[in-house]
Amino acid sequence: QAVVTQEPSLTVSPGGTVTLTCASSTGAVTSEDYPSWLQQKPGQPPRSLIYSTNNKHSWTPARFSGSLLGGRAALTLSGAQPEDEAEYYCLLYQGGRQIIVFGGGTKLTVL
Amino acid sequence: QVVLVQSGGEVKEPGASVRVSCRTSGFDFTTKGISWVRQAPGQGLEWIGWISPYSGNTNYAQRFQGRVALTADKSTTTAYMDLRSLRSGDTAVYYCARDVWGCVGTTCSRTVDFWGQGTLVTVSS
Repeated sequence: QAVVTQEPSLTVSPGGTVTLTCASSTGAVTSEDYPSWLQQKPGQPPRSLIYSTNNKHSWTPARFSGSLLGGRAALTLSGAQPEDEAEYYCLLYQGGRQIIVFGGGTKLTVL
Repeated sequence: QVVLVQSGGEVKEPGASVRVSCRTSGFDFTTKGISWVRQAPGQGLEWIGWISPYSGNTNYAQRFQGRVALTADKSTTTAYMDLRSLRSGDTAVYYCARDVWGCVGTTCSRTVDFWGQGTLVTVSS
C-alpha cells in the first residue's frame, strides 16, 4: 500500500495564496488516482472540497482549486479567509480504484 | 437532501465486538457505495473499507482484513460496520461516507462526498 505524504503544516496570511501538495510513494500522482481534498475543522466530520483532481462540489468556495503539479496532487487556496484554518487531507484511490489511501493531513493556519 | 446518520457512541472492553450503523436518505442507496473511515484521537483519517449496497461486494484495507465486516440492508438503506477483537488502538471516531463513482463518456470521477456525523468507539477495560 502506498504512503501518501502531505506537508505537516503551512501558514498563509489572510488574503494570501497557498498550495498544499500530496505525493505518493509509488510514483507520480495522476488523474487515475482520482485525487480528492477534504477539509476538517475540530469536532466536525471531514468535508469534501475537491474530487477527481480538479472538480468542485456545489458547496466548494471558488477560492479553492485542485490540480496536478510536478507529479503531485495540489490544492491551491487563493485569497485565504480566517475560516479556512483547518486540517486538509488528500485522498487517493489506488489498487485499480479498489482502495483509498489518505495523506497524513496538512494543518493550515491563517495568520 | 443527502443525509447519513450514524448510531451513538459505544464503550467496549478489549476483545469485544462493535457494530456501527449508518442510516442513509435522500439518494438511491443501491447505486452508490459506502466507505468507512476512522480517526483516532488527535490523528489523521484511515480508510477501513467499502461496500456496494447493490451487490454486497466489499473491499477492505489490508490491516482490517479478517477483523471487519461491512454489510448493507437495502430495505432500510442502512450500512453497517462490524469490528471484532477490539483493542485499545481501535479507539476512534468512525465515519461512514457516500462513495460515488461515475463516468460521463470517457471521463470518470469518484468522490466521497457526504459524511455521517461520526461515532466514537472507546475500547477500555
